Amino acid sequence: DIVMTQSPDSLSVSLGEGATINCKSSQSVLYGSNNKKYLAWYQQKPGQPPKLLIYWASTRESGVPDRFSGSGSGTDFTLTISSLQAEDVAVYYCHQYYSTPWTFGQGTKVEIK
Amino acid sequence: QVQLVESGGGVVQPGRSLRLSCAASGCTFSDCAIHWVRQAPGKGLDWVAVMSYDGDHTFYADSVKGRFTISRDTSKNILYLQMNSLRPEDTAVYYCARAVKGETVGRQFDYWGQGTLVTVSS
Repeated sequence: DIVMTQSPDSLSVSLGEGATINCKSSQSVLYGSNNKKYLAWYQQKPGQPPKLLIYWASTRESGVPDRFSGSGSGTDFTLTISSLQAEDVAVYYCHQYYSTPWTFGQGTKVEIK
Repeated sequence: QVQLVESGGGVVQPGRSLRLSCAASGCTFSDCAIHWVRQAPGKGLDWVAVMSYDGDHTFYADSVKGRFTISRDTSKNILYLQMNSLRPEDTAVYYCARAVKGETVGRQFDYWGQGTLVTVSS
């Protein structure tokens, strides 16, 4: 199974400042035949289901503000919020869909400082 | 627009069974790979199971293999999760989620239901 490890577990950021969340996979999620990284990021607010932010490691889902961006290689990935807004307070998860069992990171809680 | 609505959750004693349903609208199973994902109270997301588009293959998390069975009724567009031999650690909100079409069981999740709570307790 591919283990997804996020860091940090929680993050406290001032409004307007940047936030960076890391995600490391225990094996590569880069599929050689199409050169795509099978990695997504989700945002989950209390009492709500997760919301897709980023897929293919760096493609923003339609309607997601451009302050959210994703990057990374085959095993190390980053979600960046360029300028934190109050509505960005949430838990963020990375997710690999490269192979079953699909797995998620443990989550990173983002709060306002 | 895809809509997913879960039902069937409740309180059940350890060792008993429960069947969850996920009613899908806006897509059919030949186009939609719908997964079950759960979330224990205050915890992270935990993938549970999926059936392939053609219905020929099922995949399960090790933690539920042999106890849970995923199935579907294509005439009604409903996905089921039969949960047997339930344990306290199965207590969670169970979501169904649509994976964008691709590969055997799809790609990233773009639509989620609101979830149904299963509590396993004596």
